[in-house]
Amino acid sequence: GDSVTQTEGQVALSEEDFLTIHCNYSASGYPTLFWYVQYPGEGPQLLFRASRDKEKGSSRGFEATYDKGTTSFHLRKASVQESDSAVYYCALSDRWDSGGSNYKLTFGKGTLLTVTP
Amino acid sequence: DPKIIQKPKYLVAVTGSEKILICEQYLGHNAMYWYRQSAKKPLEFMFSYSYQKLMDNQTASSRFQPQSSKKNHLDLQITALKPDDSATYFCASSQEVDSYEQYFGPGTRLTVL
Repeated sequence: GDSVTQTEGQVALSEEDFLTIHCNYSASGYPTLFWYVQYPGEGPQLLFRASRDKEKGSSRGFEATYDKGTTSFHLRKASVQESDSAVYYCALSDRWDSGGSNYKLTFGKGTLLTVTP
Repeated sequence: DPKIIQKPKYLVAVTGSEKILICEQYLGHNAMYWYRQSAKKPLEFMFSYSYQKLMDNQTASSRFQPQSSKKNHLDLQITALKPDDSATYFCASSQEVDSYEQYFGPGTRLTVL
């Protein structure tokens, strides 16, 4: 089945630092890729998505580029703020997953970003 | 105003009992979903519904039964509760079942003692 592997555990940064959270995927088809953000006590919120090779998704200063060759969708932000502290999830939706649901989201384990002032 | 309501926010149950988790969405969406997030596993897809009909079930156990009494409702009944069922359960919705954007509710945190 499909899977997503992302930077595990916690990333601790200071304000204005550069952020990279790695995400690699494995899928049988040509998936759509997502980044979700989850704040304490809330459900995940969609940050952005990308559906085609070389497509860049972006929102709130975060961006990621779909790379089919390296099966990656790394999240980057040039200058993080304390308000960016949250758990970030990379996810995929594979409409050609013959082994299961065609409309589910498959999530990575999540990366906790902590930004200190 | 919250667009997806989940009730209750916290739930404590004893092993062997039965509970119902409530989900209502006011986004006008036609597809609804349940996901589970536990300490041991990432967010996992459980069910998808489209126009009140079950589309996909990725839950191995029949103890988990979705119930859709109205178009914008998708409750989750869990019977014979086990400690391993302890998790946060998220309801989500999308415009259609093949829409890419799924919107999540705030979750119900279930603890089974």
